[in-house]
Amino acid sequence: RKEVEQDPGPFNVPEGATVAFNCTYSNSASQSFFWYRQDCRKEPKLLMSVYSSGNEDGRFTAQLNRASQYISLLIRDSKLSDSATYLCVVTLTGANNLFFGTGTRLTVIP
Amino acid sequence: NAGVTQTPKFRVLKTGQSMTLLCAQDMNHEYMYWYRQDPGMGLRLIHYSVGEGTTAKGEVPDGYNVSRLKKQNFLLGLESAAPSQTSVYFCASSRLRTYLTEAFFGQGTRLTVV
Repeated sequence: RKEVEQDPGPFNVPEGATVAFNCTYSNSASQSFFWYRQDCRKEPKLLMSVYSSGNEDGRFTAQLNRASQYISLLIRDSKLSDSATYLCVVTLTGANNLFFGTGTRLTVIP
Repeated sequence: NAGVTQTPKFRVLKTGQSMTLLCAQDMNHEYMYWYRQDPGMGLRLIHYSVGEGTTAKGEVPDGYNVSRLKKQNFLLGLESAAPSQTSVYFCASSRLRTYLTEAFFGQGTRLTVV
């Protein structure tokens, strides 16, 4: 079983729409959670960390549900520039590496 | 602030040739990683290092070797390249506090083995 699972999409949404991605993780010992963004043919870049209480950064909101073992990313008022692949990442207590989901592809349509 | 730098950015190899990919980070991070990314497969960990002089195998280590002689550098070697090693390779680094912090990535190396 994979440590992290994501719906690969693609999600095609119109400009201005609200879109949400979920990511599930398999290990209850997961400790840190992140959302990364990866543009085509570029490296992954940190979008935001995900805190237990949830956190917001402008149009982006991240939530953590430890009981159900999932994290979510909500994007409001989608922009064309939000088109990218969004990667869910977790770390495990005592593990020496980060676990990446395969990514969810988002295309925002004019 | 350079962050994580990978060289080269592009390379074409013939089957059986060898090469070394260099990763350098200037953030004094303890942890460094080499990933490969293939369509539909996501990022897969090849090898990683938790400090100078130490390395460990990841998910897909076969056909690769690594070395970390200096804290800031992590080298990935292909001794005898195969077409199955055609991929995009990313180096990353992260800091260890009481837990691993986020990883910072290099710009990637696009390798084609013909």
